[in-house]
Amino acid sequence: GQQVMQIPQYQHVQEGEDFTTYCNSSTTLSNIQWYKQRPGGHPVFLIQLVKSGEVKKQKRLTFQFGEAKKNSSLHITATQTTDVGTYFCAGPPRGNKLVFGAGTILRVKS
Amino acid sequence: NAGVTQTPKFRVLKTGQSMTLLCAQDMNHEYMYWYRQDPGMGLRLIHYSVGEGTTAKGEVPDGYNVSRLKKQNFLLGLESAAPSQTSVYFCASSHLGTKNTEAFFGQGTRLTVV
Repeated sequence: GQQVMQIPQYQHVQEGEDFTTYCNSSTTLSNIQWYKQRPGGHPVFLIQLVKSGEVKKQKRLTFQFGEAKKNSSLHITATQTTDVGTYFCAGPPRGNKLVFGAGTILRVKS
Repeated sequence: NAGVTQTPKFRVLKTGQSMTLLCAQDMNHEYMYWYRQDPGMGLRLIHYSVGEGTTAKGEVPDGYNVSRLKKQNFLLGLESAAPSQTSVYFCASSHLGTKNTEAFFGQGTRLTVV
């Protein structure tokens, strides 16, 4: 079945350092979504990418969707303590299910 | 506008007991999902629904049943709870289509089976 793999599982950075998480799917995705979950909270939608090769920015966050629509990345420039949490990618294959990656846990040392 | 509401927020069950988790959304979303979240496992899809009266299995459906009798409600049932079902359960909903299909999540239900 369709799987969405996410790496790394965990990253601990010094405040001000950059952070990147990668998402890879075994099948082509119609779109890819990114979510953030703060400790003790629920996942909250960040962004959706639809087009092949698409790049979107939200302040210090840069999201990319691969040309083959099978991979994506989230890059955070100059991390802050407010960036702490788990970042998930999620993608629906040709179908209806929204399948999540295992997530990347980000910890930021101040 | 409440969004997605889950009840209860916490529950402790004894092995073999049954319970139903309720999810309600007021955004007229077609899709609804039930996920479980365990440490290091991310969000795993249990069951989902693409519309009123329809349900389908996700990645980890065993031991769970669901029903969607009304568009706004999606119920998750555990007929005979097992300790392996100790987890945090999240309900989510979204619109149909390929654009603007962001999922909105409930606050979660923390279930412990002893």
